[in-house]
Amino acid sequence: QVQLKETGPDLVQLTQTLSITCTVSGFSLTTYNVHWVRQPPGKGLEWMGAMWNGGGTDYNSAFKSRLSISRDTSKSQVFLKMNSLQTDDTAKYFCARLTNYGGYYFDYWGQGVMVTVSS
Amino acid sequence: DTVLTQSPALAVSPGERVSISCRASEGVNSYMHWYQQKPGQQPKLLIYKASNLASGVPARFSGSGSGTDFTLTIDPVEADDTATYFCQQSWNDPYTFGAGTKLELK
Repeated sequence: QVQLKETGPDLVQLTQTLSITCTVSGFSLTTYNVHWVRQPPGKGLEWMGAMWNGGGTDYNSAFKSRLSISRDTSKSQVFLKMNSLQTDDTAKYFCARLTNYGGYYFDYWGQGVMVTVSS
Repeated sequence: DTVLTQSPALAVSPGERVSISCRASEGVNSYMHWYQQKPGQQPKLLIYKASNLASGVPARFSGSGSGTDFTLTIDPVEADDTATYFCQQSWNDPYTFGAGTKLELK
């Protein structure tokens, strides 16, 4: 069955770099798109960026040049890397599968990884 | 960015009908989707492209709307529906989410 699982650190120091891996199963990264969404504690969801099935990427301009998304199709993994972390980057980070069969929506989500940025 | 506006909270009794609204600051065609999120869990897709029921979702959930005004309806509401409901658009870049409507049962 379709699964996504995020792995990454619980704690990151201020101004350091965050790296999270999303490992997927039950589908191919060359067929489906994987996006990153984050959610600060008690707040709403924020779309961060995309890894498209063709290998291209898109980013929310809110993250300017801090964010990088890449993948390793042989390992069914998508990577998020974000630098210059601040305290307001404290959030749960989700990877989610985007399907374009009928409308570009997130049909499967990982459980998320909670990341705290510490000063 | 396209701003999606939702009412912050609603309280209803089990068995009643509830409608949760989402208004977009600009047109999104029918590319509006709805998710349910319970505390500590990931969002779960309920409705895609305004009115299509996602696989495995009870028929008590339905969606309507197009352009800028959309509605998620639950009829009848059950105790297990206590959650926060988010709308999300994928017509304009960047994709955006509403702030969520917290549904509580009386």
